[in-house]
Amino acid sequence: TQLLEQSPQFLSIQEGENLTVYCNSSSVFSSLQWYRQEPGEGPVLLVTVVTGGEVKKLKRLTFQFGDARKDSSLHITAAQPGDTGLYLCADVGGTASKLTFGTGTRLQVTL
Amino acid sequence: DAGVIQSPRHEVTEMGQEVTLRCKPISGHNSLFWYRQTMMRGLELLIYFNNNVPIDDSGMPEDRFSAKMPNASFSTLKIQPSEPRDSAVYFCASSSVTLRGGYTFGSGTRLTVV
Repeated sequence: TQLLEQSPQFLSIQEGENLTVYCNSSSVFSSLQWYRQEPGEGPVLLVTVVTGGEVKKLKRLTFQFGDARKDSSLHITAAQPGDTGLYLCADVGGTASKLTFGTGTRLQVTL
Repeated sequence: DAGVIQSPRHEVTEMGQEVTLRCKPISGHNSLFWYRQTMMRGLELLIYFNNNVPIDDSGMPEDRFSAKMPNASFSTLKIQPSEPRDSAVYFCASSSVTLRGGYTFGSGTRLTVV
């Protein structure tokens, strides 16, 4: 069974700071998706990365996929209170038509 | 598209009562997933359907839980009888079989069993 570990579990920072959260797998990802879940809502897809070494940018968010496709990172520049939420990585697994979600990083950005 | 629609948003019930959660997936999506989320255990997959057929129900915690998908536009998750430990947020999500577009989640049903 694949295990997706995310770190840190919790992160509390002030507006304007930069941060990086990580997602590590016990096996190679088929492809990887990142989701953000705001309080009281369901997770929303941010990005899909497929190729080892791939980097994708979404405004102040930068997503990186490890060369060996066993890890990924999400970097947020100049965090804002609107970035507050639970960040989840998910493996788009092989032949199974379902996602395996990571343990999540809960981010709090304060003024 | 209105997205994945779940009802009710909140449900408070007494232990032993039957609870039915409802979900309308996005039109054209042929996979539907039911998840449970708690602080302790995170997101847990309960069951998923492809083309209205249950594919994997290994996450359903007990026989008290059952799910149906009678057609492509409707699914239910039923708990009978409910217990306090069933208190959680239950999410429904839908996707295409390829998962290229990821999951689209509903806003969830917050269930409290007292």
